[in-house]
Amino acid sequence: AQSVAQPEDQVNVAEGNPLTVKCTYSVSGNPYLFWYVQYPNRGLQFLLKYITGDNLVKGSYGFEAEFNKSQTSFHLKKPSALVSDSALYFCAVRTNTDKLIFGTGTRLQVFP
Amino acid sequence: EPEVTQTPSHQVTQMGQEVILRCVPISNHLYFYWYRQILGQKVEFLVSFYNNEISEKSEIFDDQFSVERPDGSNFTLKIRSTKLEDSAMYFCASRRTGGGNQPQHFGDGTRLSIL
Repeated sequence: AQSVAQPEDQVNVAEGNPLTVKCTYSVSGNPYLFWYVQYPNRGLQFLLKYITGDNLVKGSYGFEAEFNKSQTSFHLKKPSALVSDSALYFCAVRTNTDKLIFGTGTRLQVFP
Repeated sequence: EPEVTQTPSHQVTQMGQEVILRCVPISNHLYFYWYRQILGQKVEFLVSFYNNEISEKSEIFDDQFSVERPDGSNFTLKIRSTKLEDSAMYFCASRRTGGGNQPQHFGDGTRLSIL
């Protein structure tokens, strides 16, 4: 069965510091991986995706993610965090039947 | 930038009543989805819809649930007889053609509260 794990419920980082939000996956075949962000009382906003090609994918708002096949990971990164990045982040994998399976989410808190 | 819109933003309903949640997907999108998020829990797939048919449904999507695309713009989720455990945030999503590498775009959700 396909699954996604986000091992950290919360990540705290100081503004200006680099951030990493971790995600590991379990799929059969090639993975289609996504990151979404959820601000309070809002829906899920697409950040970036990995389908094939370069292992480092760039997305919205300066975020990027590193795909690592051997470690089955797809960690979200940003070189310099902003207070406005504070939100709930979800990693997801697309199944071969076109549904998304989400991780449990990681709350990112960026402190000034 | 085009968005998925959902109405109402909050629906309060008595247990046992029918409720219809409405969604207007992005206009050139052909694949539609409903997900739900119970408070504090992860986002769960309910159903996918393409070409006026359900493509897949989860075990949550029992006989009390139905979906419909009544016209060229709306996509609705109906719960026939609501239960307390149906209280959740319901998200509609859509994506365009071009294969599964196209991301699903989500609305802001409808918060459903069952009393």
